Amino acid sequence: DAGVIQSPRHEVTEMGQEVTLRCKPISGHNSLFWYRQTMMRGLELLIYFNNNVPIDDSGMPEDRFSAKMPNASFSTLKIQPSEPRDSAVYFCASRNSIYNEQFFGPGTRLTVL
Amino acid sequence: KQEVTQIPAALSVPEGENLVLNCSFTDSAIYNLQWFRQDPGKGLTSLLLIQSSQREQTSGRLNASLDKSSGRSTLYIAASQPGDSATYLCAVNDQTGANNLFFGTGTRLTVIP
Repeated sequence: DAGVIQSPRHEVTEMGQEVTLRCKPISGHNSLFWYRQTMMRGLELLIYFNNNVPIDDSGMPEDRFSAKMPNASFSTLKIQPSEPRDSAVYFCASRNSIYNEQFFGPGTRLTVL
Repeated sequence: KQEVTQIPAALSVPEGENLVLNCSFTDSAIYNLQWFRQDPGKGLTSLLLIQSSQREQTSGRLNASLDKSSGRSTLYIAASQPGDSATYLCAVNDQTGANNLFFGTGTRLTVIP
């Protein structure tokens, strides 16, 4: 198995631009999580999906952030418009429902200038 | 809200030494606990998962223990190697729906050749 796949790995954009991050979970995992990691706040859960349905989005910082999971093999996290304070590493993780063990993707390092 | 603390924040040891990393959590009603490793600029790699009913898990030179009642877990690394140098993160999965991982801030380990 290829593991959790994220794209792009790096994204540099200017303030005000729309950013879309992509994630492909491990096949057979029915839960998907989006996290953000910064030096100041560590790892924070933004949103998670169960069977493609958003369950808890209380960690999404603002309305500028939105996430979708149109099918079991694909999810997007969109920031519109982006701001410099959104600069962080964004991780996607998927979970094995039998053991509830989360597996993380390599992350997308976002820099908003 | 669950709070997870890891001590020490950083640790340097000579190669070959055995070492212990500590993790404490405030709410003992957990579903499971996961130890991760993160290399600089990389994603998180799952090392060990301990279910709430278990006391320890072993994988190679790694041994993780769990004392749920006292809110503590330890990660023991035997015969440390330079390749073990990384940040080690402890994460607690709460019991409400077994869906939200609360992360500690990590221990940055350096193994000196």
